[in-house]
Amino acid sequence: DAKTTQPNSMESNEEEPVHLPCNHSTISGTDYIHWYRQLPSQGPEYVIHGLTSNVNNRMASLAIAEDRKSSTLILHRATLRDAAVYYCILRANLGGKLIFGQGTELSVKP
Amino acid sequence: GAGVSQSPSNKVTEKGKDVELRCDPISGHTALYWYRQSLGQGLEFLIYFQGNSAPDKSGLPSDRFSAERTGGSVSTLTIQRTQQEDSAVYLCASKRASLNEQFFGPGTRLTVL
Repeated sequence: DAKTTQPNSMESNEEEPVHLPCNHSTISGTDYIHWYRQLPSQGPEYVIHGLTSNVNNRMASLAIAEDRKSSTLILHRATLRDAAVYYCILRANLGGKLIFGQGTELSVKP
Repeated sequence: GAGVSQSPSNKVTEKGKDVELRCDPISGHTALYWYRQSLGQGLEFLIYFQGNSAPDKSGLPSDRFSAERTGGSVSTLTIQRTQQEDSAVYLCASKRASLNEQFFGPGTRLTVL
């Protein structure tokens, strides 16, 4: 699986939008971009995934660059509960394992 | 509905002892994964089961680690002759074959003294 690069940490204010970047310059044409997050003392939870087009769901939006070498996870209004480590992961097929990097630790200030 | 459950939630053992960790996946999920997370480290893949196919064992760190999945449902991860470096949170996840999302359990915290 191709490698991703994320900032180690980011800060946000409550109720403001948050843009979490991910670089994946070696992405292949069949790699899906997945985002998971891990809240303190919990297992990871799925956030969103996409291939080429931007995606929206109830949790977040995923903006994918036209050349697919980078993507951005967008939390539209951060809450204190969004404080977590966010992982950007590339995976070539539905069934494969997830290879987690170090992720971005997001802190949200009231 | 019920999520992925794992037992025990905490396990303390002495170096050299064997331990068994259990995972109950979500009903109907044919794929099951084991990961571990050591203190201050990222999540590390261990093993993956998909239906009746041979498991992907590429992440198991040594031959002291093994896992089985009986009847396509419950899975047990066994660590023989535990070492202090085996101390970690062991996480199980399950997934429907046709979907992307993996659902994780709460984990088992293993401490080897």
